[in-house]
Amino acid sequence: KQEVTQIPAALSVPEGENLVLNCSFTDSAIYNLQWFRQDPGKGLTSLLLIQSSQREQTSGRLNASLDKSSGRSTLYIAASQPGDSATYLCAVHFTGNQFYFGTGTSLTVIP
Amino acid sequence: SQTIHQWPATLVQPVGSPLSLECTVEGTSNPNLYWYRQAAGRGLQLLFYSVGIGQISSEVPQNLSASRPQDRQFILSSKKLLLSDSGFYLCATDTEAFFGQGTRLTVV
Repeated sequence: KQEVTQIPAALSVPEGENLVLNCSFTDSAIYNLQWFRQDPGKGLTSLLLIQSSQREQTSGRLNASLDKSSGRSTLYIAASQPGDSATYLCAVHFTGNQFYFGTGTSLTVIP
Repeated sequence: SQTIHQWPATLVQPVGSPLSLECTVEGTSNPNLYWYRQAAGRGLQLLFYSVGIGQISSEVPQNLSASRPQDRQFILSSKKLLLSDSGFYLCATDTEAFFGQGTRLTVV
């Protein structure tokens, strides 16, 4: 059964620090991997989408990498800001038409 | 571009009452559609997915059912709600995942 795991479950950093969130998945047969943020009481916001054939995607201070062979992705956030505080979710679209989320990393950036 | 409409946004229902949440998609044809639930303090759990009209796959045994009567319509239902059905329900398509705004269901 496919699984998506995220570590750490929670992370607290001072403002300005660079940080890395990790996502691992059990099956390398994927279409794509996507990172989302979820703010309390709200829906999901897509941050970055990496297709199966890609190694990384960048958007502003965010950089996501994908290593299919090892079943891992990282989300790198540079120069963190208090507004980055949210829950970050990794979602993997497996080739069996199943789209699974990790349990998320709750990030708090302290001013 | 794709748009997903999901309603209602919030719902409070008594235990034992029926449920019907509707999701419709615009801007694409023959999408794969998904229902997820996020219970309090937990991650998003895949409940059902559908690759076409009348085709439903269930990921977990539960009190809920899903139907896809039209290509762009996906419905989540229950005949009798349980307290444990409370949570945040999201409808989504894939390829590049698009989500509805979600329905916060509270069963009282």
